[in-house]
Amino acid sequence: AQSVSQHNHHVILSEAASLELGCNYSYGGTVNLFWYVQYPGQHLQLLLKYFSGDPLVKGIKGFEAEFIKSKFSFNLRKPSVQWSDTAEYFCAVNPGGYNKLIFGAGTRLAVHP
Amino acid sequence: DSGVTQTPKHLITATGQRVTLRCSPRSGDLSVYWYQQSLDQGLQFLIQYYNGEERAKGNILERFSAQQFPDLHSELNLSSLELGDSALYFCASSTNRGQNVLNEQFFGPGTRLTVL
Repeated sequence: AQSVSQHNHHVILSEAASLELGCNYSYGGTVNLFWYVQYPGQHLQLLLKYFSGDPLVKGIKGFEAEFIKSKFSFNLRKPSVQWSDTAEYFCAVNPGGYNKLIFGAGTRLAVHP
Repeated sequence: DSGVTQTPKHLITATGQRVTLRCSPRSGDLSVYWYQQSLDQGLQFLIQYYNGEERAKGNILERFSAQQFPDLHSELNLSSLELGDSALYFCASSTNRGQNVLNEQFFGPGTRLTVL
């Protein structure tokens, strides 16, 4: 079955620290990949997406992600986090052109000033 | 603001009852998706409608049903409610004019359902 794994359920960082959140998916065909963010009490917002082309994609708010096909991974990175990045982050896969999104369990990020 | 609206924001009801959640997609979007977010199951895809027709089904219980109306708004009906149905229900929409066309999904604020 198709699935998405996010390795870290909770991450605590200090401001200015670097961030990397892991995401692996299980699907052998063409996939489209997304990272969504959910700030406390708010709806899901798209951070970035990968459809094809350059495997290094840049999103909003200084986030980027790298698609490594051989590792079935799509890790999210940010070189220097801010307190306002405190949120829950979801990796999602849209497998094979079907439109449903399969989400990972999410990673709760807490950034301390 | 994503442009997707959902009502009500909060719903508290009792076991065995039936509720209806409503979603209005972004202007011009033809596809509506329903997702359930719960502590134990995470974010799960329930069902997709495209221009009034069911397009894809996920982990949706038989007690749950949905429809999309001619004006493209959608309703998710939950019946014979159980304690375990307590969750946040999200609606998303996309322009999506074909199954293989990739479109971003824009999410609404969600409806928090509490079953007592």
